[in-house]
Amino acid sequence: AQKVTQAQTEISVVEKEDVTLDCVYETRDTTYYLFWYKQPPSGELVFLIRRNSFDEQNEISGRYSWNFQKSTSSFNFTITASQVVDSAVYFCALSLYNTNAGKSTFGDGTTLTVKP
Amino acid sequence: EAQVTQNPRYLITVTGKKLTVTCSQNMNHEYMSWYRQDPGLGLRQIYYSMNVEVTDKGDVPEGYKVSRKEKRNFPLILESPSPNQTSLYFCASSLSGLTNEKLFFGSGTQLSVL
Repeated sequence: AQKVTQAQTEISVVEKEDVTLDCVYETRDTTYYLFWYKQPPSGELVFLIRRNSFDEQNEISGRYSWNFQKSTSSFNFTITASQVVDSAVYFCALSLYNTNAGKSTFGDGTTLTVKP
Repeated sequence: EAQVTQNPRYLITVTGKKLTVTCSQNMNHEYMSWYRQDPGLGLRQIYYSMNVEVTDKGDVPEGYKVSRKEKRNFPLILESPSPNQTSLYFCASSLSGLTNEKLFFGSGTQLSVL
C-alpha cells in the first residue's frame, strides 16, 4: 500500500520569507505520479503540479519550485518570498499506474500561515 | 465554464436517513472520485470510477455506495448514515484515471449526521 507523509502539520512564516513544505512518499510501484494541491481558506482545492516518476527534473513556476528526489522518495515544495495569499493548506498526493490506476493517496496536509 | 458541481453544499441529517450527494462534471472526463476530508487526516479516497459502469473502492468505502450510469454524474449514496460519516466531502474528476491527469474538484459538501 502506498503512503504519503507530510510531517509538518503547521508552518508559520513572516511575509517574504522562503518556506519549504516536505513530502515523503512510499510505494513499491516503479511508475507513479506525484501532485501538490492547495486549499486556501475559502475551501476549494486547486491543482499546483503533477510529476511522473520518470521525470526527476526540478520545476520552477514563478515563486513556486518543486524538488523531486527518487533516492529519498521526496517531493518537496518551496515558496520563495512568501505572501499572505499563500496562506493555505497544502496537500501532497500520490497516484499509481497500471493495475492500480485510479487509486490516490493524499498526505494529511500542511497548514501554512504567512503573516504580514 | 468547466466545472465539477456538487450538491448540496451543506447537509444536516439524522442517523439512518438515506441521503445522496450529487456530483456532475461538464468536461467529458472519464475519471471521477469521491474523497472525505477530516481534520488532521487529509483527504481519503472513498470510491472512484475509471469510466461509465466501472467503479472501485478507495481506502474508506465502508458505509458508502456509488454508481456511474452516465459519464457526467457520480452520486455518493449513504444508505444509513452514522455520526462518524460527519465530514467534508469532495468530488473530483480528471480526463483519465489511466494517465493520472490532474484532478478538478467540486466545492465540497459539509455533511453533519446527528
